[in-house]
Amino acid sequence: TQLLEQSPQFLSIQEGENLTVYCNSSSVFSSLQWYRQEPGEGPVLLVTVVTGGEVKKLKRLTFQFGDARKDSSLHITAAQPGDTGLYLCAGVGNAGNMLTFGGGTRLMVKP
Amino acid sequence: DAGVTQSPTHLIKTRGQQVTLRCSPKSGHDTVSWYQQALGQGPQFIFQYYEEEERQRGNFPDRFSGHQFPNYSSELNVNALLLGDSALYLCASSLWQTVRKPQHFGDGTRLSIL
Repeated sequence: TQLLEQSPQFLSIQEGENLTVYCNSSSVFSSLQWYRQEPGEGPVLLVTVVTGGEVKKLKRLTFQFGDARKDSSLHITAAQPGDTGLYLCAGVGNAGNMLTFGGGTRLMVKP
Repeated sequence: DAGVTQSPTHLIKTRGQQVTLRCSPKSGHDTVSWYQQALGQGPQFIFQYYEEEERQRGNFPDRFSGHQFPNYSSELNVNALLLGDSALYLCASSLWQTVRKPQHFGDGTRLSIL
């Protein structure tokens, strides 16, 4: 069974601070995706990382895939209240496109 | 272009009852996956349907069953409901075997078991 562990589970920071969320597994995934979920809504895809060592930037968000394709990180620079939400990492297996989700990181950015 | 739509949005049932949840995939998608998201946790994969057949299944008992129709829409059925079945049930659609193409999620059905 493939498992993904996210840390931290909860994060409460002030506007303007930086933060990093980690997603770790003992399994290799063909790719890894990061989602953001707002209350009452489904997850919305932020990025997919495919190649070991890959780094992708989305405005103030930086996503990295580990060299061995087992772990990933999400770094947010100068967090804003609009970044508040549940951040989920999900590994894509080699068979089909079934997603294995981490437990999520609930981020609150205070003005 | 309509995205993934799920119905109903909320549902309240009692233990032992049966429930059917419905999902219409995004236009052009042929594969539907169902996930269960308990409060405060990440979604867990239930099963995936393509060409009206269950293609993959997660670690869920056979009380959970599904169906896909020729128009690609899907239903999730849960029998003999337990308190622990209370969760947000998410439907995601995609194109079969296009791993690098994103799955699109609906906003879910919130199921409460009393």
